Amino acid sequence: KAGVTQTPRYLIKTRGQQVTLSCSPISGHRSVSWYQQTPGQGLQFLFEYFSETQRNKGNFPGRFSGRQFSNSRSEMNVSTLELGDSALYLCASTGSNLVNNEQFFGPGTRLTVL
Amino acid sequence: QKEVEQDPGPLSVPEGAIVSLNCTYSNSAFQYFMWYRQYSRKGPELLMYTYSSGNKEDGRFTAQVDKSSKYISLFIRDSQPSDSATYLCAMSANGNNRLAFGKGNQVVVIP
Repeated sequence: KAGVTQTPRYLIKTRGQQVTLSCSPISGHRSVSWYQQTPGQGLQFLFEYFSETQRNKGNFPGRFSGRQFSNSRSEMNVSTLELGDSALYLCASTGSNLVNNEQFFGPGTRLTVL
Repeated sequence: QKEVEQDPGPLSVPEGAIVSLNCTYSNSAFQYFMWYRQYSRKGPELLMYTYSSGNKEDGRFTAQVDKSSKYISLFIRDSQPSDSATYLCAMSANGNNRLAFGKGNQVVVIP
């Protein structure tokens, strides 16, 4: 069974641009969560999508947004990029419509903002 | 006060030693406790998953949860060089998939 895949793996952008990251969950998984990982703050929750609806949201500004498609694939978008948005962006999928099940992470997309 | 505290200091141990890692937390709503292992330039990999207080063993790994003290631990017995990685504790409240993470411990097992 294929794991969580994320594309692209690496991105370089400049301040003010916007970026879209993609996540394909494990086949059959319907919940996708996004996290930002930085050396200073560690892993922080961005948001969770289930059945194309945002089910939970972390404390990030509105520049960070996401969506989920009917095939459970998810995208996150960051607009008006700032230097501080440089991070590893991870998505995780969960296998049940219930909560508190095990979450499996993808390899991440490393975003560098210049 | 951060929800989850994990002393991020690196840890170097000789091969075969026991590795002991721990986290404390402040949110009494946390009921589910996890340990993830993350190798350099990879995503976190789930190692242990426990619910509420108690111990769980899986091979060389033992996870302990003490909810009364808001304290969780991970022990790695007979450590191997392949165990060299960053270990992250994570936890969630009932009915909520949001994981709150510790900062992680970088562990180096020296052959």
